[in-house]
Amino acid sequence: KQEVTQIPAALSVPEGENLVLNCSFTDSAIYNLQWFRQDPGKGLTSLLLIQSSQREQTSGRLNASLDKSSGRSTLYIAASQPGDSATYLCATPLEVGSEKLVFGKGTKLTVNP
Amino acid sequence: GAVVSQHPSWVICKSGTSVKIECRSLDFQATTMFWYRQFPKQSLMLMATSNEGSKATYEQGVEKDKFLINHASLTLSTLTVTSAHPEDSSFYICSARVRGGSTYTQYFGPGTRLTVL
Repeated sequence: KQEVTQIPAALSVPEGENLVLNCSFTDSAIYNLQWFRQDPGKGLTSLLLIQSSQREQTSGRLNASLDKSSGRSTLYIAASQPGDSATYLCATPLEVGSEKLVFGKGTKLTVNP
Repeated sequence: GAVVSQHPSWVICKSGTSVKIECRSLDFQATTMFWYRQFPKQSLMLMATSNEGSKATYEQGVEKDKFLINHASLTLSTLTVTSAHPEDSSFYICSARVRGGSTYTQYFGPGTRLTVL
């Protein structure tokens, strides 16, 4: 059964710093992995989706990497800004062919001005 | 494109009453919709999968008689929390898969905050 873990649960950094958020999964036979952003009391905004055949995806200041063999994905945020403050969730399908997503608990990021 | 809305965005009700939450795909048809529940500082947990025109499939541990799901059209799914109790207070989020689209692409609604007094 796929399980997703995110460490740390919370992270606080000064503005301008580059940072990395971690996501681990137990079953390396994944189809894809997705990173989401959730603002307080709000729904999810999809940030990046990495297919199993890819090693990384980039969007602006965000870069997500995927290492299936080690069961890890990272989300790199460059030059962080206070507006990046949110909870970041990663998710992957329960199993290949499944529509069901398994989420981590998220990392709450605070970027201090 | 691919916008999902939920109504209401928040609701407060008394214990024992029923509450209906709507999930709509605004600019696409959704064969499948998903209902998640999120408790504070916890991850989203899938409650049920809703397919248009058929009965919903519930995850283990989710009471189907308590959480009634109706997917009457390709753009609307509803979740009714019956006889709500304080422990049902949570953040409910729906997502939708585009009809004919990728199995793995879901678009999420903004969520509904339910508080049961």
